[in-house]
Amino acid sequence: GQQVMQIPQYQHVQEGEDFTTYCNSSTTLSNIQWYKQRPGGHPVFLIQLVKSGEVKKQKRLTFQFGEAKKNSSLHITATQTTDVGTYFCAVLRGGSEKLVFGKGTKLTVNP
Amino acid sequence: DGGITQSPKYLFRKEGQNVTLSCEQNLNHDAMYWYRQDPGQGLRLIYYSQIVNDFQKGDIAEGYSVSREKKESFPLTVTSAQKNPTAFYLCASVRRGSYEQYFGPGTRLTVT
Repeated sequence: GQQVMQIPQYQHVQEGEDFTTYCNSSTTLSNIQWYKQRPGGHPVFLIQLVKSGEVKKQKRLTFQFGEAKKNSSLHITATQTTDVGTYFCAVLRGGSEKLVFGKGTKLTVNP
Repeated sequence: DGGITQSPKYLFRKEGQNVTLSCEQNLNHDAMYWYRQDPGQGLRLIYYSQIVNDFQKGDIAEGYSVSREKKESFPLTVTSAQKNPTAFYLCASVRRGSYEQYFGPGTRLTVT
């Protein structure tokens, strides 16, 4: 079935450094979503990408969808301690309403 | 305020007991989902429901049961048949025409 590989599994940065997490699929995706889960919290929707090559920005966060719609990335510029958490990508399973989540990238930020 | 509530936040049970986790939403969303999250893992789908009185199994439905008698409510029962029930359980809902999932705060279930 549909799977997505998310890398890296963990990332530790100094405050102010940049951070990127990647999500890869072996099949073409119809869309991709990104969620953030703070420690002890629940996932919160960040964004959905639909178009090939799409780039969207939310303040210091930049989301990209690959030209072939098989990969995506989330980049955070100049991380802050408030960015701490686990970032998940999620994709629709082909022909269904079900989401498949990547295993997430856990980001820790050293102040 | 619209949202999803799950109760309780923490739940402790003895092995062999069934336990029901509550999920209520007042967002008027049609679809509701139950996920399980284990440490260092993504979310795995247990059951989902697109409409009242209908639900489908997800990837790990064995040992779980659900009901959807009302649009607002989608309770999950963890039965004694579930071999490793200790986990963080998340409920989510989705508005018709969207794929964005709204999550509740979750219930941490510990079975000893």
